[in-house]
Amino acid sequence: GESVGLHLPTLSVQEGDNSIINCAYSNSASDYFIWYKQESGKGPQFIIDIRSNMDKRQGQRVTVLLNKTVKHLSLQIAATQPGDSAVYFCAEDTLGGGFKTIFGAGTRLFVKA
Amino acid sequence: DAGVTQSPTHLIKTRGQQVTLRCSPISGHKSVSWYQQVLGQGPQFIFQYYEKEERGRGNFPDRFSARQFPNYSSELNVNALLLGDSALYLCASSLGTYTEAFFGQGTRLTVV
Repeated sequence: GESVGLHLPTLSVQEGDNSIINCAYSNSASDYFIWYKQESGKGPQFIIDIRSNMDKRQGQRVTVLLNKTVKHLSLQIAATQPGDSAVYFCAEDTLGGGFKTIFGAGTRLFVKA
Repeated sequence: DAGVTQSPTHLIKTRGQQVTLRCSPISGHKSVSWYQQVLGQGPQFIFQYYEKEERGRGNFPDRFSARQFPNYSSELNVNALLLGDSALYLCASSLGTYTEAFFGQGTRLTVV
């Protein structure tokens, strides 16, 4: 079936370095993509989103890149901080056959002080 | 302002029982979605409701049902509980489609 997947299950970076978390999606009809951060014991927290008619969007310390040609999504975190340690999920929204949001399995980010 | 609130936070049920989970969206949000999250996995989409109408349904059996009330709060019902239904159930609200979604803390359901 359609799915959103992640290339790496864990990522360890040094405090202050930039982090890149990758995601592959398979549904070419998806219209909207979102990155979420989930800390232990909490619900997912919205980080940034991008629509299918865009290829880049920037927020505060975060950038999302969308490559529709290869169905790839990435999240870049600048100057990674210990507070960024969490599990990161990519998700896609599609209206085909009724509305659905499909989450990937997640990448755990460890930030070393 | 209050965020998305879910109740109860935890509960334990026996196989075969029925459970109702509740969600209050952020004031002004008309869309509510439900997800099931098994430990170590990403959330799995169950339902989305907008203006009291079901707009989407994930790959879950008919034992799962939901509804949205005129005040936009929502309930998720699960009948004939199975051990595999043990999970964190998350509710998210948003203004509408393709807008930022806000998640509640979830309800931890344990089926024994």
